[in-house]
Amino acid sequence: GAGVSQSPSNKVTEKGKDVELRCDPISGHTALYWYRQSLGQGLEFLIYFQGNSAPDKSGLPSDRFSAERTGGSVSTLTIQRTQQEDSAVYLCASRRGGLETQYFGPGTRLLVL
Amino acid sequence: DQQVKQNSPSLSVQEGRISILNCDYTNSMFDYFLWYKKYPAEGPTFLISISSIKDKNEDGRFTVFLNKSAKHLSLHIVPSQPGDSAVYFCAVILQGGSEKLVFGKGTKLTVNP
Repeated sequence: GAGVSQSPSNKVTEKGKDVELRCDPISGHTALYWYRQSLGQGLEFLIYFQGNSAPDKSGLPSDRFSAERTGGSVSTLTIQRTQQEDSAVYLCASRRGGLETQYFGPGTRLLVL
Repeated sequence: DQQVKQNSPSLSVQEGRISILNCDYTNSMFDYFLWYKKYPAEGPTFLISISSIKDKNEDGRFTVFLNKSAKHLSLHIVPSQPGDSAVYFCAVILQGGSEKLVFGKGTKLTVNP
């Protein structure tokens, strides 16, 4: 498909476990973002990748959160020692460049019990 | 402190009437504004944008108005259709770096047949 894809679509985990969320951006898009939407909240920026530049990690809420982008394409967001407040929809977006539109994936709905 | 505010969590209108969604922002340095639409279990999709050099941008049934002195923008949908029922997010781009989006909390629009 031509859109941003994310997996899994849903993830239920126990408090304290680690989770990995995957994002496949649109081919050719150099910029990749992770956002999350907690219940009743707007989308909150987490991290940004652009080409080979150092990522902008300013939105990561704690050092339990990390992300990598391999080969300038696929990205993985890892949450270590998950907490109940990490429950949210995690959204990935990509764009080609400049002020181009960001295209969002369908999100991963994470529930930490 | 919220930089982008959507003070109405929900709005209900009749099919064929006008829907007006409002958004306020705090920083007069913001210069590019967007509206995204989100259906349940899907990622947000770009709807329409406006640059601060304009006060109006129109695309079919959708028009965005920008009042810079009031730091206010609004989205007008006319005529409203049941398929427009979704959550609408106002967003600004923070330029000069990651061009990340800063979102409001969203307004849930319901268009009744």
